[in-house]
Amino acid sequence: EAQLVESGGGSVQPGGSLRLSCEASGFSFISYEMNWFRQAPGKGLEWVAFISGRGTTTYYADSVKGRFTISRDNAKDSVFLQMNSLRAEDTAVYYCARLAVGWSKFDYWGQGTLVTVSS
Amino acid sequence: QSALTQPASVSGSPGQSITISCTGTSSDIGGYNYVSWYQQHPGKAPKLIIYDVTKWPSGVSNRFSGSKSGNTASLTISGLQAEDEADYYCSSHTSSSTWVFGGGTKLTVL
Repeated sequence: EAQLVESGGGSVQPGGSLRLSCEASGFSFISYEMNWFRQAPGKGLEWVAFISGRGTTTYYADSVKGRFTISRDNAKDSVFLQMNSLRAEDTAVYYCARLAVGWSKFDYWGQGTLVTVSS
Repeated sequence: QSALTQPASVSGSPGQSITISCTGTSSDIGGYNYVSWYQQHPGKAPKLIIYDVTKWPSGVSNRFSGSKSGNTASLTISGLQAEDEADYYCSSHTSSSTWVFGGGTKLTVL
């Protein structure tokens, strides 16, 4: 069965950087588009970024555009989120998820990794 | 991109049916059949329960059903069970090649 495991979360000061990783297993990684989502404490879900199977196409939420970069290494079955110029409002649990066929089937999610931005 | 609008809370008794609405615009829900619904228990990752407005992922109970009319999508849960108590989120693909979520609805099983 497909599995996604995030890592790289932690505490960082405002203006700092952090790189999240998501390692996939149990499926043909290159065949799937991957996404990052986040959920601030006690708040709802927010889509953050998308990357196509070969990494040639990316999309970002307006709230992170220009600060976050999504990338992937298909040889390592991993997707990454480089987060720069972090703000307090970026504090959240970050999830990676697989997008199956079509544009609405986020069918497998990782367990999440917590990012805390605070001075 | 503005969030989709969901009721903050709904409740129902075991065995009853409830419906959660999700209102967007013609740039998201109204423009595409790419609406999905997620169930999230406290401290857990979201779980996909409906995609493409009406479809079930493998392994999800058919007590969950989805529909759409114009700019509003709906999730109906029939035969409520205690285990259905959770937060529910709707999501839609948008004309900007992004995805937008609703604010979430807390379901209480009385």
